[in-house]
Amino acid sequence: DAGVIQSPRHEVTEMGQEVTLRCKPISGHDYLFWYRQTMMRGLELLIYFNNNVPIDDSGMPEDRFSAKMPNASFSTLKIQPSEPRDSAVYFCASSSGTSGRSYEQYFGPGTRLTVT
Amino acid sequence: AQSVTQLGSHVSVSEGALVLLRCNYSSSVPPYLFWYVQYPNQGLQLLLKYTSAATLVKGINGFEAEFKKSETSFHLTKPSAHMSDAAEYFCAVSPLRDKIIFGSGTRLSIRP
Repeated sequence: DAGVIQSPRHEVTEMGQEVTLRCKPISGHDYLFWYRQTMMRGLELLIYFNNNVPIDDSGMPEDRFSAKMPNASFSTLKIQPSEPRDSAVYFCASSSGTSGRSYEQYFGPGTRLTVT
Repeated sequence: AQSVTQLGSHVSVSEGALVLLRCNYSSSVPPYLFWYVQYPNQGLQLLLKYTSAATLVKGINGFEAEFKKSETSFHLTKPSAHMSDAAEYFCAVSPLRDKIIFGSGTRLSIRP
């Protein structure tokens, strides 16, 4: 299994630009999570999906952030417009809710976003 | 509300010494508990998990953790530290079987 795939691995953009982060979960997993990690705030859950439906987006910092999951194998996190304070490492994770599983999450390698 | 508290943001031990990373949880339902490890510039990797079976859980790389309900603790231990164990360690609780709540992390340093 290839694991959770994220692209790009690094993104450098200027303030005001649109940024799109991409994630491919592990095949067969029905939960997908987006996290943000910074030195100041640690690991924050932004939003998560179950069967492609957003369940909890209370962690999304503001309207500039949006996330979609058009199908079971693809999700995007978009920031428009981006600001320097959005600089962070963004992780995608997936898990299986199949009965009997323990819901452990598998993380991708992350996208390091720098907004100048 | 469910939560996790990791005691000590930074722990330093000598190579070959015992590693002990402390975690206390709060949960209104029997929890699933996890330890994750994050090496520099990588994502989080599952180290071990407790799912209400054996209270002593063995994980990868020689780590283990013991679930103590009376103390609401799930401390992580390793008898002998290696230089390669230097990383950030996260304790986590899953009370609702979907979302995981992570602690703030403990950075483990190994002295030669």
